[in-house]
Formats: sequence, C-alpha cells, structure tokens
Amino acid sequence: DAGVTQSPTHLIKTRGQQVTLRCSPKSGHDTVSWYQQALGQGPQFIFQYYEEEERQRGNFPDRFSGHQFPNYSSELNVNALLLGDSALYLCASRGDRGNGNTIYFGEGSWLTVV
Amino acid sequence: GQQLNQSPQSMFIQEGEDVSMNCTSSSIFNTWLWYKQDPGEGPVLLIALYKAGELTSNGRLTAQFGITRKDSFLNISASIPSDVGIYFCAGQVRSGTYKYIFGTGTRLKVLA
Repeated sequence: DAGVTQSPTHLIKTRGQQVTLRCSPKSGHDTVSWYQQALGQGPQFIFQYYEEEERQRGNFPDRFSGHQFPNYSSELNVNALLLGDSALYLCASRGDRGNGNTIYFGEGSWLTVV
Repeated sequence: GQQLNQSPQSMFIQEGEDVSMNCTSSSIFNTWLWYKQDPGEGPVLLIALYKAGELTSNGRLTAQFGITRKDSFLNISASIPSDVGIYFCAGQVRSGTYKYIFGTGTRLKVLA
C-alpha cells in the first residue's frame, strides 16, 4: 500500500514563472492538505482540499492555488514565483477513519526559485 | 507564519541517555502530533494524542497531552544514533479540519 506520493521531487524555476506540484494521497484517504516548509522552519499550512473543494486556507496569497480531482489526487499551483517561494512543499493526507485527526506526509517537492 | 514554541532548539546527547522536549502554545488544541524529519525527507508521524492528560508510548518514545491542552511533551528513552533528526510537534487548530500549527523543531544529535 503506497503512502503519500509527490512529484516532482526537485525542480528549479525562474522568478515570475509558474509551477505545478502533484500529490497522490494514501489509498483510502480523501482529504489532502498542502504545507510549505522553508529551510530551518516547521511546515506552514497552505490549504486543505476535500470533495474537490478548498475547505480551509492558511495565510498565503492568491498566487497559491490548488485543485483536487475525483480520485482524491491534488495539485498545488504557484504563479508569479518569488525568490521567497523557495521551500520544501509537503502534501499530507488524512488518517484512517479510526484516527481521523492524524495527517501523513509525503516526501515533499523541493522548489528552488532563481 | 504562526509557529509553536518548542524547546530545546537543539541538543547533543550521549548514546543511551534519555531525551525530553516540549511544546507550548497560548492556544488550546484538540490534537497533538509528534513527527521526526530526517534531512531531505518528509516528516514521519511518531505519536498522536487526542485527549488532555493522555500519555501514549511508541517503543522508546512517550508523549503526553498537557492537561491545560496548551502543551505537549515527548520523551525518548535510551537514545540510539538513528534518533538523530529534527522533531516537530503540531497542534490541531480546530476539530474537523486538518490545519495544524507546527513547532519550531528540536534538532537532536546523538554522540556514540
């Protein structure tokens, strides 16, 4: 049973460009959330998707957007990239019904903006 | 962004020693999670706590949900070299959501 999978693992973009990151939740998990982790810091909540809708959002600008597909996979899109967007982007899916409050992370996508 | 106060920030210990770290907040949380993150990888869930006062173990790891619901503690007994890494606490903002506030992390280094 695969856990949370993310792609790509590493990528480099230029300021002003746009990027799309992808996530497949653990089998049977229907809720996906995205976090940004800057170097030396803890993860910061970006937003959460359930039933193909954004349900909650953290303190991130509208340049950050997302999507969830019928198979529960998700995408994170960032437009007009800034140098400060360089970070590890983590996707997390909700735990099993018996432990509904837990979230499990993927390995992350390392984004470098130059 | 908002982060929880986690201490100590870093620690060097000898193999075999016990380790304690804690996380405090000015807000009440419904759930506390503890993660370990190795360099270049995503956080791995260690322990989940759901009720105030709850004490839960996972092998050599023991964590407690503070009675005030504003803090949590993680203890590691008889540390080994593979315990090296960064430990994060995370508090659930509101029941029914999956927005967690993470701590600033405790970097653990074990000397053999």
